[in-house]
Amino acid sequence: DGGITQSPKYLFRKEGQNVTLSCEQNLNHDAMYWYRQDPGQGLRLIYYSQIVNDFQKGDIAEGYSVSREKKESFPLTVTSAQKNPTAFYLCASSPGLAGINNEQFFGPGTRLTVL
Amino acid sequence: GQQLNQSPQSMFIQEGEDVSMNCTSSSIFNTWLWYKQDPGEGPVLLIALYKAGELTSNGRLTAQFGITRKDSFLNISASIPSDVGIYFCAGRVQGAQKLVFGQGTRLTINP
Repeated sequence: DGGITQSPKYLFRKEGQNVTLSCEQNLNHDAMYWYRQDPGQGLRLIYYSQIVNDFQKGDIAEGYSVSREKKESFPLTVTSAQKNPTAFYLCASSPGLAGINNEQFFGPGTRLTVL
Repeated sequence: GQQLNQSPQSMFIQEGEDVSMNCTSSSIFNTWLWYKQDPGEGPVLLIALYKAGELTSNGRLTAQFGITRKDSFLNISASIPSDVGIYFCAGRVQGAQKLVFGQGTRLTINP
């Protein structure tokens, strides 16, 4: 089945440790995105990538890093520089970046808890 | 950054009732989207709108792209228990690459 997978579903880390969240899609989509969701709030964009080996900062990129070495993969690293990393992280993909029928489809999310 | 005002923030209704929620923006959008999120899951796209005045249905759901291009509405008719969740609007300004999301409407249904 085509879709977006994120792993793991739940992740616990100690404060000061870097952690990498996985996102894989087999939809052949060019664009991929990472969002952060906090309770009672909408989704905030961390990073996005239009094509392989290219990515752009979103609205809250500080303390995060990404790579896009393969079309189907867009891992997110939460670094120790992120002041409040505990959150629900959502990965999304779309055929392109904008325009009709280029809408974003989301993965199931990873809940990160930093102890 | 751009803001979307989504209201109401929460709704408590009886099963079978109709539901209405909306989003407004200070900017003119060329795309409006409505998503539903179940607890602990990713949002699922319900309806996409691309033209001012457009009215689109998906089963018991109906969404409209406001004629001013600054608002959108989602209606759910004859609510059922599986409609429970958080509904998000999202919009895109013409030429922009990023979506802007509303803060969500949490729908609770009393059986």
